[in-house]
Amino acid sequence: AQSVSQHNHHVILSEAASLELGCNYSYGGTVNLFWYVQYPGQHLQLLLKYFSGDPLVKGIKGFEAEFIKSKFSFNLRKPSVQWSDTAEYFCAVSLTGGGNKLTFGTGTQLKVEL
Amino acid sequence: NAGVTQTPKFQVLKTGQSMTLQCAQDMNHNSMYWYRQDPGMGLRLIYYSASEGTTDKGEVPNGYNVSRLNKREFSLRLESAAPSQTSVYFCASSARLAGRYEQYFGPGTRLTVT
Repeated sequence: AQSVSQHNHHVILSEAASLELGCNYSYGGTVNLFWYVQYPGQHLQLLLKYFSGDPLVKGIKGFEAEFIKSKFSFNLRKPSVQWSDTAEYFCAVSLTGGGNKLTFGTGTQLKVEL
Repeated sequence: NAGVTQTPKFQVLKTGQSMTLQCAQDMNHNSMYWYRQDPGMGLRLIYYSASEGTTDKGEVPNGYNVSRLNKREFSLRLESAAPSQTSVYFCASSARLAGRYEQYFGPGTRLTVT
């Protein structure tokens, strides 16, 4: 079965620390990859997306992600987190030609401490 | 341009009661989706509508029905609510950009079934 794994369920960092959140997927076809963020009490917002081309993609608020096809991974990174980055982060995958149905990972709760 | 709107924001039901969650989008998107979000499980697709007049089951359709009323509106109905349906429900719509799709989410409906 197709699946998306986020191995870090809860992450606590101090401000200015570097962030890397893991995302692995198991799909056989060509994939589209997404990271969404959900701030407390708010709806999901798109952070960044990968469709094709340069495997290093940059998103909003200083986030970036790297697609490594051989590892079936799409990890999210930020060099220096801020308190305002406290949120839940979701990795999601859809298949090209798959009707844009998204499969989400279980999410990573990030808490940034002052 | 309001994007994706959902009503109500909060709802409490007793077991066995019915209700309809409403979703509308003003972005002229063809595809619309209903997800539920539960702690530790990410978002799971309940139903989707690839275009006006069509609906299909997602990962967790049992206990739900949907109606694609027109291109703008996609409603989710619980005929006989159960405590297992306590969740946060998100509606989304998607746009096609250069042959690929990107989903936009509504603010969510927090439903409690007692």
